[in-house]
Amino acid sequence: DADVTQTPRNRITKTGKRIMLECSQTKGHDRMYWYRQDPGLGLRLIYYSFDVKDINKGEISDGYSVSRQAQAKFSLSLESAIPNQTALYFCAASNADTQYFGPGTRLTVL
Amino acid sequence: GQQLNQSPQSMFIQEGEDVSMNCTSSSIFNTWLWYKQDPGEGPVLLIALYKAGELTSNGRLTAQFGITRKDSFLNISASIPSDVGIYFCAGQLSGTASKLTFGTGTRLQVTL
Repeated sequence: DADVTQTPRNRITKTGKRIMLECSQTKGHDRMYWYRQDPGLGLRLIYYSFDVKDINKGEISDGYSVSRQAQAKFSLSLESAIPNQTALYFCAASNADTQYFGPGTRLTVL
Repeated sequence: GQQLNQSPQSMFIQEGEDVSMNCTSSSIFNTWLWYKQDPGEGPVLLIALYKAGELTSNGRLTAQFGITRKDSFLNISASIPSDVGIYFCAGQLSGTASKLTFGTGTRLQVTL
């Protein structure tokens, strides 16, 4: 399995603050993804990237930005956090067939 | 964006019972996947289905790719306490570069 790590695991911040969530994977997969999970809504795709020069918006990209610094690293930024961005955020890496998820970052915006 | 409907939303069952859950979509998919999420963890892939009508097993788990390509089913036989968690279905279209559409999840709780 892809070894996908996320930092931080938990973060509490205030409205208006800039926040960066980081994701790393050790298996050399080209494709990486950021999802958000809210109770009763499953996982929704925020952004995805197929290589370091490729960034694509998912279904809920407003209020977020990403950076693919290297094949192994994909970070998610909230430029000015707002309370409805309180959620569980997952990073995933994949080969052509299967997405492997990180352990998640629980973000609370007060 | 589209989301897949899963049912039931949650279920309590006794250890040893069989479990069935399903996932439906208004549009077709070429691949159906089933994931399990344990508390405090990310989803882990359980079963992948690639062909309409396909029936695939993984231990006590059996999943089917619906013949209409708009639904999928997951069965767990002889449930045990470690089956507790949230089960998600996900659909994927060919040519969408492995983008997944996830279901809303079924929360399974097992009583001894």
